[in-house]
Amino acid sequence: GAVVSQHPSRVICKSGTSVKIECRSLDFQATTMFWYRQFPKQSLMLMATSNEGSKATYEQGVEKDKFLINHASLTLSTLTVTSAHPEDSSFYICSASETGVDREYFGPGTRLTVT
Amino acid sequence: GENVEQHPSTLSVQEGDSAVIKCTYSDSASNYFPWYKQELGKRPQLIIDIRSNVGEKKDQRIAVTLNKTAKHFSLHITETQPEDSAVYFCAATPGEYGNKLVFGAGTILRVKS
Repeated sequence: GAVVSQHPSRVICKSGTSVKIECRSLDFQATTMFWYRQFPKQSLMLMATSNEGSKATYEQGVEKDKFLINHASLTLSTLTVTSAHPEDSSFYICSASETGVDREYFGPGTRLTVT
Repeated sequence: GENVEQHPSTLSVQEGDSAVIKCTYSDSASNYFPWYKQELGKRPQLIIDIRSNVGEKKDQRIAVTLNKTAKHFSLHITETQPEDSAVYFCAATPGEYGNKLVFGAGTILRVKS
């Protein structure tokens, strides 16, 4: 149980375009999902907390207009990187917690490369 | 807010030896402490976790200890194997559903055969 999927696993896009990443909890409902960014050889940096049915909560320094988060259902959250630039190239990972349980399970990650 | 420090940043051990990774946290309200293992290019995998109402938890070769007074917790891996080589992250959270995890910087563990 507690499986989280993420799609796509890899994406290459041109500078200035937008990319959407999906995060799904496959066998449980998740009121809250989290979006992280991880640069090579670094720890996971929380970008935002995605709340089903309400606005996401962004961490300090993360541009909410650039990283759009939508949590349309209890099993799906999406992250859209708008007007992507090469410095946005990174490993983006989502996580989800089963409602009422504090354990957090991670998706497989999306490797974004902006050329 | 919570701050988690993790040491060492790299750790090399001989196969069969034990490995210990230590973390400290700053927020005394934190009550849930998971450990994740991450292999290169893959997702972090939860390997063990502990809540503040216990001092130690063990799962086969892996154990975690928690000292609430000193605000530190440790991961112990016994009889290390080459497949234990990975990056290990500790984390802390107040534990209420939806509260974010605060991660340590990670420890690169290398098990030499």
